[in-house]
This record gives sequence, C-alpha cells and structure tokens, in this order.
Amino acid sequence: LAKTTQPISMDSYEGQEVNITCSHNNIATNDYITWYQQFPSQGPRFIIQGYKTKVTNEVASLFIPADRKSSTLSLPRVSLSDTAVYYCLVGPIWKMDSNYQLIWGAGTKLIIKP
Amino acid sequence: NAGVTQTPKFRVLKTGQSMTLLCAQDMNHEYMYWYRQDPGMGLRLIHYSVGEGTTAKGEVPDGYNVSRLKKQNFLLGLESAAPSQTSVYFCASSYLRLAGGPGETQYFGPGTRLLVL
Repeated sequence: LAKTTQPISMDSYEGQEVNITCSHNNIATNDYITWYQQFPSQGPRFIIQGYKTKVTNEVASLFIPADRKSSTLSLPRVSLSDTAVYYCLVGPIWKMDSNYQLIWGAGTKLIIKP
Repeated sequence: NAGVTQTPKFRVLKTGQSMTLLCAQDMNHEYMYWYRQDPGMGLRLIHYSVGEGTTAKGEVPDGYNVSRLKKQNFLLGLESAAPSQTSVYFCASSYLRLAGGPGETQYFGPGTRLLVL
C-alpha cells in the first residue's frame, strides 16, 4: 500500500504561490494522485488529479516527476479563503483491482495570512 | 441537485446501542464510499460499493456493516457501538470518467458526527 507523507502545516501570505509536496515512495503502477481541500465541518472537495507529468486546471497545478514518488500541488496567488487542510490521496481509480485501497495522507494545514 | 446528503448530522449513542447512517446521492454515481475521520487525521475507508447490491471492505471495516439496495443509497450500520467509533463519518460518491483521459472525482457529503458514550 502506498503511504503518503505531507508537511503537517504551512503558512503563507495573500498573493503568494504555495507549493505543497506529498511523498509516496511506494506508489503502484495503477495508482493516481489526487488532491482534496477540506474546510472545517465540511467534507473534502476535489482540487486536481493526475497520473504523471503536469496537470493544470482553473484553480491549481499538479507536478508529478517521472518516478512518481512524490507530487507537488501548486496554488497560484492564494487568498485568505484558501486557508484549509489539503489532502494527498493515492490509489487506483479502477475498482476491479483486488487490492483496492485508498490511502489518505494526514493532511497539510495551510494558513494564509493577510 | 442536492449532491450527497447524510442523515443524521449528529448523534449520541450509548455503548452497545445500534444505529444506521444514511447516505443518499442524486448524481447517478456508480461508486459510493463510507469514511471515518478522527481528529487531526486523514480519512480512512470503512467500506465501499461499486454498484447496486455490491459492497466491499476498506481499510477499517471491523464493527461496521453496509448495504446498497438502491443505487442512490448507501447505508452504514453499527450493530453494537463502542467509544472507539466516536468519529465524523463521511459518505462520498463518484463515477469513472473516460473522456479526456481516465479520472475519478469523489463528491462528499457534509458528514455525521457520532459520539459514543
């Protein structure tokens, strides 16, 4: 099972770019990397997902090196409303995998200051 | 669309009592999940379902049972609650998209806070 490791917390300031790295040394061939955002008393919300190289959407970018043993979530020009916990999730999207498991990291608490 | 809803929002149980948590989704998703989240920790998968009538064990299934008699509903049961089951329970649903490259997004409910005394 791919275990993930993330920094426990990070601070940044409004308008800055924030990069959060997740380590997943034992990632399997079928595993995808997904990042979720969670605000207090709410369920997680999908941010971005990738398998390899770089993925970009309207809110974030995800960088995955060739060996896929880590990934970096990049949030451009953060605002106070980006203060939340960010989770890295590694696992297959194909449910027929007999060893199907989803392993969530402990999350990174991101605090954005004015 | 309501998305994913969970009932109840909060419940207090005594040790040994039983209860059922209800999750409903109106997005016609094939896959549904039950997680628990303890303070300061990530989510842990309890059970999941790949379709109506099918369920499978996740990372922490002991003490829980599930059923998916209808595609839109996923029930989580605690037959004999224990204080160790005090947690926040999240339900999620998803579908596998193939257009533009394979991927999956899980949509989460608001959670159920359970306290077992």
